[in-house]
Amino acid sequence: LAKTTQPISMDSYEGQEVNITCSHNNIATNDYITWYQQFPSQGPRFIIQGYKTKVTNEVASLFIPADRKSSTLSLPRVSLSDTAVYYCTTDTGRRALTFGSGTRLQVQP
Amino acid sequence: GAVVSQHPSRVICKSGTSVKIECRSLDFQATTMFWYRQFPKQSLMLMATSNEGSKATYEQGVEKDKFLINHASLTLSTLTVTSAHPEDSSFYICSARVEGSNQPQHFGDGTRLSIL
Repeated sequence: LAKTTQPISMDSYEGQEVNITCSHNNIATNDYITWYQQFPSQGPRFIIQGYKTKVTNEVASLFIPADRKSSTLSLPRVSLSDTAVYYCTTDTGRRALTFGSGTRLQVQP
Repeated sequence: GAVVSQHPSRVICKSGTSVKIECRSLDFQATTMFWYRQFPKQSLMLMATSNEGSKATYEQGVEKDKFLINHASLTLSTLTVTSAHPEDSSFYICSARVEGSNQPQHFGDGTRLSIL
């Protein structure tokens, strides 16, 4: 049973806002939600982490509803360099991560 | 922020060769590091958990005698692919996290292993 479920791919254009939603119906009480970005031939890079409600940093926002069974990564005004695979994960911070399929975002000019 | 360094970034070698990959936490100590493998167009798959000062924990289906892990210090874990064959060709990625709950994992830049 997959821990997380995301759309396989998304397309966008430069300057648009992109929202990627992840389902994690079986999230545990102590789990945090963390999103990573991965470019080809590179390791995943941390984007943002949250537990509930909304978190914002310099690159993205993370929206988490009250039931925490899903989360939405929001990328404002994407550019070509945001083309990558985005993964959401859930864990307590003490275990290895389980990666789902990720979402392949393609940004076009 | 926390940095994980992985070396080498790319290895090309003949079948039967053993290859060692290093993973270092540069500015923090990590009692636990993780090794993942990623095939083209696929997601990361956990291979093993590396524990400082003790034996690694391997995931089901991963041969411990094939993939030797050593975590001799709080900043270094090594993965040795012994007698590598073409089917071992993959992208190997390590990660580590700052101790304490709720800290995100930090990943190395991966090692592209190509066995001819």
